[in-house]
Amino acid sequence: QLQLQESGPGLVKPSETLSLPCSVSGGFINTNRFFWVWIRQPPGKGLEWIGSVHYSGTIHYSPSLRNRITISGDMSKNQFSLKLSSVTAADMAIYYCALNYDDGSGRFYWGQGTLVTVSS
Amino acid sequence: QAVVTQEPSLTVSPGGTVTLTCGSSTGAVTSGHYPYWFQQKPGQVPRTLIFDTSNKYSWTPTRISGSLLGGKAALTLSGAQPEDEAVYYCLLYYNADRVFGGGTTLTVL
Repeated sequence: QLQLQESGPGLVKPSETLSLPCSVSGGFINTNRFFWVWIRQPPGKGLEWIGSVHYSGTIHYSPSLRNRITISGDMSKNQFSLKLSSVTAADMAIYYCALNYDDGSGRFYWGQGTLVTVSS
Repeated sequence: QAVVTQEPSLTVSPGGTVTLTCGSSTGAVTSGHYPYWFQQKPGQVPRTLIFDTSNKYSWTPTRISGSLLGGKAALTLSGAQPEDEAVYYCLLYYNADRVFGGGTTLTVL
């Protein structure tokens, strides 16, 4: 059973770059079986798809965030990360990492989420 | 970017049946959008209920089903239970994009 855990700073200053790693246990991320996914949810609001990357190189970034985000993997640590640049108060949210299988099984594993606050 | 629309809120009586829908600004929702449905209760991580329009997971209650209905993806709860009270989100796949709906708050009352 795959398990995911986000980590990173709970507080980021405006205009800085947010960096969030997602550690994966119970399996390896260097596989073509799933996408590495980031989703966020502002407090009291709905879910927003940030982006997803497939090990094969396929990238899907939200058009509204495309210019500010990078999703990448670190195979040596078995983790993938989100970088979001030039953050503002609008980026304050719970950030979830997830794995979305691409093999027809529909499996979708979620991390527990981490709250990121943007404040000076 | 496409906009995915859901009813903001619905109410169902215990034991009743309710259908939540998920529409797309680009036109009819089809199986090619691979509709997913998620359930989120307060303070919890979303839980996946349905994938690829109508496929269930082992943990998906039998009273919950997914379909395409009138050009939209639909989630039907038959015999609603108090524990079904939650926010339900649909997710649609577009060629190079994935978009969540705004969510439907379901009240069982």
